[in-house]
Amino acid sequence: DGGITQSPKYLFRKEGQNVTLSCEQNLNHDAMYWYRQDPGQGLRLIYYSQIVNDFQKGDIAEGYSVSREKKESFPLTVTSAQKNPTAFYLCASSRTEPNYGYTFGSGTRLTVV
Amino acid sequence: GDSVTQMEGPVTLSEEAFLTINCTYTATGYPSLFWYVQYPGEGLQLLLKATKADDKGSNKGFEATYRKETTSFHLEKGSVQVSDSAVYFCALITGGGNKLTFGTGTQLKVEL
Repeated sequence: DGGITQSPKYLFRKEGQNVTLSCEQNLNHDAMYWYRQDPGQGLRLIYYSQIVNDFQKGDIAEGYSVSREKKESFPLTVTSAQKNPTAFYLCASSRTEPNYGYTFGSGTRLTVV
Repeated sequence: GDSVTQMEGPVTLSEEAFLTINCTYTATGYPSLFWYVQYPGEGLQLLLKATKADDKGSNKGFEATYRKETTSFHLEKGSVQVSDSAVYFCALITGGGNKLTFGTGTQLKVEL
């Protein structure tokens, strides 16, 4: 079955360390997205990519970086510059055809200790 | 810009009660509208969608009708179950694009 896989499900990081969250999809979707979700809050867009080797900043890109070297993969790095990284991170993918909607991964919960 | 407004939660209902979660939107052009559901500790799943005015999306007993005149897409279910407890997100896409704009989510709690 096709789907989108995020790993790990839980991640602990010490302050001052960079950490990379994995997102892989086998749906042959061109577009991929990273969102951050804080308790009781909605979704905030971090970065998105419509095509391989290209990506754009979302609403809260500061302290984060991404790469899109393969169609299937869109890893997110949370750098030490991100002041409050503890959150639930969601990856999604979609076709670029209009009005298609997203398929989401099951999320990674990052905790800074 | 485009925006989605949902009713504040949490919404607490008894099992078998009728559910309505309000969603209104502001958008240029004619958006496509979506409802997503998020169960605790999981990602979002598409619940239903409607792509043009007067369309009704439905799935798992939930339904929503695209009302252009009131710019609304309210989610309804005739008889909720404890297993429906989750956070529900309304969302839209405009301009023939593929980037979703989400509402802030409404938490539903269903009790026995």
